[in-house]
Amino acid sequence: QLQLQESGPGLVKPSETLSLTCTVSGASVSSSTYYWGWVRQPPGKGLEWIGSIYYGGSTYYNPSLKSRVTLSVGLSKNQFSLRLSSVTVADTAVYYCAGDTSGYYYRYWGQGTLVTVSS
Amino acid sequence: DIQMTQSPSSLSASVGDRVTITCRASQSISNYLNWYQQKPGKAPKLLIDAASSLQSGVPSRFSGSGSGTDFTLTISSLQSEDFATYHCQQSYSTTWTFGQGTKVEIK
Repeated sequence: QLQLQESGPGLVKPSETLSLTCTVSGASVSSSTYYWGWVRQPPGKGLEWIGSIYYGGSTYYNPSLKSRVTLSVGLSKNQFSLRLSSVTVADTAVYYCAGDTSGYYYRYWGQGTLVTVSS
Repeated sequence: DIQMTQSPSSLSASVGDRVTITCRASQSISNYLNWYQQKPGKAPKLLIDAASSLQSGVPSRFSGSGSGTDFTLTISSLQSEDFATYHCQQSYSTTWTFGQGTKVEIK
């Protein structure tokens, strides 16, 4: 059974870079079988897809975030990561990592981690 | 970008009611439409993929239909555990988008 767990700072200052890691168990992040991604949810609002990464390095980003987002797959640990630069209060949200063998949806999700952008 | 619009944004219903939620895409997405259920403080759970394919373990009272631009999620007889927020998501484009969500509340 695939399990995912987000980790990273819960508080980030405006203009700084948000960095989160997703640790995967039950599968290898380097497997060509799986697709990985990030989704966020501002408090009281709907879900927003951030981006997806596939083994081999193919990445797809939300156009509204593309200039600030970088997804990567860890080489030495079974992890993949999200970096979001130049954050503002509007980036305050619960961030979920997710994955699947399908490239069309996510069945496996982390529990989510709240990141607050505040000085 | 493909925009996804759900209606209604919220609804109140009673146990046993039939509930219908609509999701409309800004352009044709064939059947690349998925539905998720989310309970407070929890991650979304995939219910239906490809517009009408029920995920394993999901009760048969849930069903999905539609293709092109208009899609529907139906709960045939609402149960207490179904009170939650439901989200549609398109994967026709390599850049996915979600609807704004529909909150199903107890009447």
